[in-house]
Amino acid sequence: EILLTQSPGTLSLSPGERATLSCRASQSVSSSYLAWYQQKPGQAPRLLIYGASNRATGIPDRFSGSASGTDFSLTISRLEAEDFAVYYCQQYGTSLYTFGQGTKLEIK
Amino acid sequence: QVQLQESGPGLVEPSGTLSLTCSVSGGSISVDNWWSWVRQPPGKGLEWIGEIHHSGRTNYSPSLKSRVTISVDKSKNQFSLKLRSVTAADTAIYYCADSTGGWKLDYWGQGTLVTVSS
Repeated sequence: EILLTQSPGTLSLSPGERATLSCRASQSVSSSYLAWYQQKPGQAPRLLIYGASNRATGIPDRFSGSASGTDFSLTISRLEAEDFAVYYCQQYGTSLYTFGQGTKLEIK
Repeated sequence: QVQLQESGPGLVEPSGTLSLTCSVSGGSISVDNWWSWVRQPPGKGLEWIGEIHHSGRTNYSPSLKSRVTISVDKSKNQFSLKLRSVTAADTAIYYCADSTGGWKLDYWGQGTLVTVSS
């Protein structure tokens, strides 16, 4: 089973700043199988990025994803107040999904 | 856009069976999608439970496989989760979700809290 490790656990930034969240896989993961979700308190997760770098429908272009080997990144170019939330990466392999433990993006 | 809604008891006794249903609206469950269950213990991260295709094919998380059954009822446009021999560790918000393809969970229900307690 592939494990996903997200870092940092908590990221404290101010609106307008750039955020970079990391997700490292324990073994090779196809970029096609890597997604990112945003979850706000009391809400279900929302799909942001799929295939490592493709924005889901309706997701602003300040959100972007990238991949390098077993390392994946989610970047928010210029933080807005609504972006402060918990972010999860997810991979699909051998007929099962696994999630990272999450990164909490909080207002500094 | 498809909408998903979970329903079922909010309280289950230890050693009992947790049963939830996800109703699908705005689309047919018989399209070539996979339908998943995901759970989240209070204050913790996401755990995928398993998925089903309208054909009846299923995939389960290895850690829960011995206790889980996911089924589909095409006539009601619903799919269901049964988790047997529950303990307090199974207390969580349970979400149903839809994958339209591409190994991602596109649409999610609002979630339902299930507490395991006597």
